[in-house]
Amino acid sequence: QKEVEQNSGPLSVPEGAIASLNCTYSDRGSQSFFWYRQYSGKSPELIMSIYSNGDKEDGRFTAQLNKASQYVSLLIRDSQPSDSATYLCAVPVSGTYKYIFGTGTRLKVLA
Amino acid sequence: GAVVSQHPSRVICKSGTSVKIECRSLDFQATTMFWYRQFPKQSLMLMATSNEGSKATYEQGVEKDKFLINHASLTLSTLTVTSAHPEDSSFYICSAWRTEAFFGQGTRLTVV
Repeated sequence: QKEVEQNSGPLSVPEGAIASLNCTYSDRGSQSFFWYRQYSGKSPELIMSIYSNGDKEDGRFTAQLNKASQYVSLLIRDSQPSDSATYLCAVPVSGTYKYIFGTGTRLKVLA
Repeated sequence: GAVVSQHPSRVICKSGTSVKIECRSLDFQATTMFWYRQFPKQSLMLMATSNEGSKATYEQGVEKDKFLINHASLTLSTLTVTSAHPEDSSFYICSAWRTEAFFGQGTRLTVV
């Protein structure tokens, strides 16, 4: 059974701080990793994708991947109240397009 | 980015009736679409993989006779919840894969 694990939170950070979200996965064959943001009652929207070890930056967001440790993280700099949402880590089952989602981490950015 | 449209966004139905949810890829052809279900405060759980022109592949524990999936064209997949019961009330989300997964807006199903 392929698994993707996240701390459910809530993770509370003050406005302007860095929010750090973590995810571990069990499938060593996984090659691609995705972070989605989901607002309550809405569908997930893609924030970041990462395929190689190391860091990938896009605006205020940085994804970090360590395949040896089977660990992927998302950093949100200068957190804003509008970033308050649930962040889902998704890992496709290797060799397929089927996504396995983590339970999601609920982030609260306090104004 | 690619657009996936899901309809309806909300539906309320009586127990025992059937409900059909549509998922369309608007600007690309999708030979494969996926159906997820999300209960409150839980993550998305994959229900089935919808394959154009062939039978859907269901995940373990998902009743294929209850959740009928039809993928008759390269841009449309439908999920029919048959003989719905209150425990089927959930948020149903479809996705289509192009270079990444694109999600529909979701359908909030309430069975009363």
